[in-house]
Parts: sequence; structure tokens; C-alpha cells
Amino acid sequence: LAKTTQPISMDSYEGQEVNITCSHNNIATNDYITWYQQFPSQGPRFIIQGYKTKVTNEVASLFIPADRKSSTLSLPRVSLSDTAVYYCLVGPSSGSARQLTFGSGTQLTVLP
Amino acid sequence: DTEVTQTPKHLVMGMTNKKSLKCEQHMGHRAMYWYKQKAKKPPELMFVYSYEKLSINESVPSRFSPECPNSSLLNLHLHALQPEDSALYLCASSQEGVGGSSREQYFGPGTRLTVT
Repeated sequence: LAKTTQPISMDSYEGQEVNITCSHNNIATNDYITWYQQFPSQGPRFIIQGYKTKVTNEVASLFIPADRKSSTLSLPRVSLSDTAVYYCLVGPSSGSARQLTFGSGTQLTVLP
Repeated sequence: DTEVTQTPKHLVMGMTNKKSLKCEQHMGHRAMYWYKQKAKKPPELMFVYSYEKLSINESVPSRFSPECPNSSLLNLHLHALQPEDSALYLCASSQEGVGGSSREQYFGPGTRLTVT
């Protein structure tokens, strides 16, 4: 399983763009990068998944450089309600659930 | 309906009690999961059911007993728990295909368990 490294915490202000970077130096050829968001006392919520270059949905963008050894989750114009823990996961796009391992996550705090 | 429901929301039990946690989804997902999450830690996988059959047991103590009565329901039976088992227990589901379980898992809100 590819190990991931994320910052433990980040602070931002409302209205700013937030970029959370995840390092995954030993990512395998068939691995995808998946991000989840978790609010306190709730289950994680799938945000976005990508393999290379850029993926965008209504919530976030995911930037993956050519070497795929890192990825950046971009949240545009954050609000107080975006305060949550963000998890980066690396593994095949489908397969054994053992391959979906949550790392330590990044606590994002959005300040007014 | 993209919701996974879990009951109860909170549960306090003594070490000699027997209780059950329940999880339900109606998305037609054939993979269902139990995770355990301690405070300020990431979720840890406990069990996986695929097409109502137990496919993964992550060396969980026998005081936790999962059950999948049908494709929509998942139970976790608890017996003789220890105080260190106090945690948030999360249920999740995902599509299951030829390649395995989808990475897009849908999680319930969890059951906050306290063992006294």
C-alpha cells in the first residue's frame, strides 16, 4: 500500500482558496488518488478521485503532476462550513477494501 | 437515496451487556463495511461484506460479531466489550463490481459507543 503524508493541520480564512498537498512517493502504476472529507461526529464523505493531471467537480479540484508522487486538493473560496478533516488515500480504483487505508488526515480550520 | 443510516446514534453499555449496532442502505450496494474510529484518529477497517458474505475480518476480537442478513442490512453484535472499545463505529457501503469494491464509499453518521 502506498503511504501518504499530509500536513497535520492548516488554517485559512473565509473566501480564500485552500490547497492541501499529499505526498505519495511510492504510488503504483494502477493507483488512484482519492480524497475524503470528515466533519466532527460524522462519517467521511467522498470528495474526488483522480489518476493524473486535473480533475474537477462541483466541490473541489484535484491536481496531479506528471510523476504522480504528490497531489493537491484545491478548495475554492472556503467557508466556515468547510472546517473538517481531509484524508488523502492512494490505491487501485477498485479492488480489495484493505487497499482503502485512511492516513492521518489534515485538519482544516476556516476562520472568519 | 444515497443515505446510509445507523442506529442507535449513541450507546452506553456495561462490560457484561450484549447489544447490537444496525446499519441500512438502499442504494443497491453489495459491499458493506464496519469501521472503528477513535477520537482524533482515522477510521480503521474492521469487517467487509461482499454479496452478503464476510470477505475481510481485520483480526477483530471475537467480542465483535458482524452479520449481514440481506443486501441492505448490516449488524454488529457486541458482547463483553472493554472500555478501550469505546469509539465511533461507522458503517459504509459501496458498489461491488468485477474489479472489486469501488473507492467511493458512502458512510453513515456512526454510532458513538461508550463502554463502562
